[in-house]
Amino acid sequence: AQTVTQSQPEMSVQEAETVTLSCTYDTSESNYYLFWYKQPPSRQMILVIRQEAYKQQNATENRFSVNFQKAAKSFSLKISDSQLGDTAMYFCAFRGLYGGSQGNLIFGKGTKLSVKP
Amino acid sequence: EAQVTQNPRYLITVTGKKLTVTCSQNMNHEYMSWYRQDPGLGLRQIYYSMNVEVTDKGDVPEGYKVSRKEKRNFPLILESPSPNQTSLYFCASSSLGFYSNQPQHFGDGTRLSIL
Repeated sequence: AQTVTQSQPEMSVQEAETVTLSCTYDTSESNYYLFWYKQPPSRQMILVIRQEAYKQQNATENRFSVNFQKAAKSFSLKISDSQLGDTAMYFCAFRGLYGGSQGNLIFGKGTKLSVKP
Repeated sequence: EAQVTQNPRYLITVTGKKLTVTCSQNMNHEYMSWYRQDPGLGLRQIYYSMNVEVTDKGDVPEGYKVSRKEKRNFPLILESPSPNQTSLYFCASSSLGFYSNQPQHFGDGTRLSIL
């Protein structure tokens, strides 16, 4: 069974600085999708960025980028120029492509990020 | 506007009183799912559905029921709620197959308190 591990329960960063959130996963599949979701205090689940495993190029979305290391099964999120609005819980998630549970998202336990002024 | 709608947003009730949390999506998605979120545990899947009349258990199905009679609706039923079901609940939907790289769309969450 797939698992997702976020080893940093809490992190903090100063405004305008860069922070990296870690995520590792375990799977025997060769093709899959990975996602980072953001959950601000409003508790909405907001997609931050996604990565297809067959793509070697790391995904980027404005100030957010990932470092995808397929062999190491690592999927870290880098937030550049941190802003106060980035304060949130961040969840890493895995989605397989095969079998009867192909739609299921497997979530890590989350990293609570605080951006300090 | 594409959305997943959950109701109610908040509910306080008592042990043993049956309740239903509704979930509806307007994107014609095949896949729908329910999660519960508890501090320190992340989101854990309760039940999911790959299409109409097709449902299956997730990681924490005990004490819950679901049904998928229509593609757009996926209600979560607590027949006899207990305090350990106090949690934040999310419904989500997504496409499958060729479009399975699309992210899941989440509802705004339902905060349930069982006294």
